[in-house]
Amino acid sequence: KQEVTQIPAALSVPEGENLVLNCSFTDSAIYNLQWFRQDPGKGLTSLLLIQSSQREQTSGRLNASLDKSSGRSTLYIAASQPGDSATYLCAVRDSNDYKLSFGAGTTVTVRA
Amino acid sequence: DTEVTQTPKHLVMGMTNKKSLKCEQHMGHRAMYWYKQKAKKPPELMFVYSYEKLSINESVPSRFSPECPNSSLLNLHLHALQPEDSALYLCASSQATGHNYGYTFGSGTRLTVV
Repeated sequence: KQEVTQIPAALSVPEGENLVLNCSFTDSAIYNLQWFRQDPGKGLTSLLLIQSSQREQTSGRLNASLDKSSGRSTLYIAASQPGDSATYLCAVRDSNDYKLSFGAGTTVTVRA
Repeated sequence: DTEVTQTPKHLVMGMTNKKSLKCEQHMGHRAMYWYKQKAKKPPELMFVYSYEKLSINESVPSRFSPECPNSSLLNLHLHALQPEDSALYLCASSQATGHNYGYTFGSGTRLTVV
């Protein structure tokens, strides 16, 4: 059974610092990995989707890397802003299951 | 249109009530999903519809009844719920159930059962 872990569980940084969020998964036989953002009490907003054949994806200040063999993905957010404060979830689509396996999330606070 | 729209945003219902949650997308996606999310937990899959047919039921109690009237619409009918069913209910869609596709989530319905 796929297990997805996100470290750290919470992170507080001053505005302008770069953010590094980690996601690890136990079964490397995955099809893709998706990073989501969730504001309190709201739905999930897709940030980046990385297919298993890809090493990274970029969108604006966001960059996500994928190392399938070691079971790791990292989300980088450059020059953080207070508006980046949210919970970030990674989800893995593995080859043995129809489900998304979610991590528990990293809650980010960016202080002005 | 790149959104999944859920209504209502908030719902309070008694344990004897019958209510429905609605989800709509106009992206041409042929797979739609219901998820349940409790506070500070990741979403949990409830149902999967593929080409308007129910393909996955994750052993959800029968007081939750999904319906997919057409390719754009997904409903979740609620009856005789319990207080522990209070949660954020999320709808999602993907181009198909194939493994290469990413998911688009709606903003959710916050359900409180009293």
